[in-house]
Amino acid sequence: EDQVTQSPEALRLQEGESSSLNCSYTVSGLRGLFWYRQDPGKGPEFLFTLYSAGEEKEKERLKATLTKKESFLHITAPKPEDSATYLCAGVTGGGNKLTFGTGTQLKVEL
Amino acid sequence: KAGVTQTPRYLIKTRGQQVTLSCSPISGHRSVSWYQQTPGQGLQFLFEYFSETQRNKGNFPGRFSGRQFSNSRSEMNVSTLELGDSALYLCASSLDNRGSIKNIQYFGAGTRLSVL
Repeated sequence: EDQVTQSPEALRLQEGESSSLNCSYTVSGLRGLFWYRQDPGKGPEFLFTLYSAGEEKEKERLKATLTKKESFLHITAPKPEDSATYLCAGVTGGGNKLTFGTGTQLKVEL
Repeated sequence: KAGVTQTPRYLIKTRGQQVTLSCSPISGHRSVSWYQQTPGQGLQFLFEYFSETQRNKGNFPGRFSGRQFSNSRSEMNVSTLELGDSALYLCASSLDNRGSIKNIQYFGAGTRLSVL
């Protein structure tokens, strides 16, 4: 059974304190690995998609990387506005079915 | 460009009733997927529609059904509501260009369903 696991479940950082979120997956035939950000009361907002091991994508303070078994979301010098739940998801098979992890709830404090 | 629109945003129903949720995808998007989000189970895939046909289905009982219209708009229906159906129901659309694996799904804000 396809499975996506995220760690830690929750993370509290001081502003400027860099860290990484982990997403490990056991899915057969992974076609893509997605990262989303979700704010309370809103739908997930697309951040990155990665397709092959070794691939990296960057956007402002965020950088996503992919290996054969896991993906990392690196947050450099975070700000309070980066506080959100970060979700990763894998897509396999035909179509667009996403298998999500349970997310990492990030809180960045001043 | 308008995003994915879901209506209504909030619903309160009682056990045994049925409910219909609506989703209008981004203009030009042909694939629409539905997800259920709960604190305990996270985001779980319900089903996907493409060109008015169900292409994928998750592990949910037959009480959950959906359809897609010729303009790509989609509805999902839940019959005989149970307390455990209380959740945020999210719709996502993607362009789904044939031959491209790079199909990004964009989510709506969701419909919050409370079953009393």
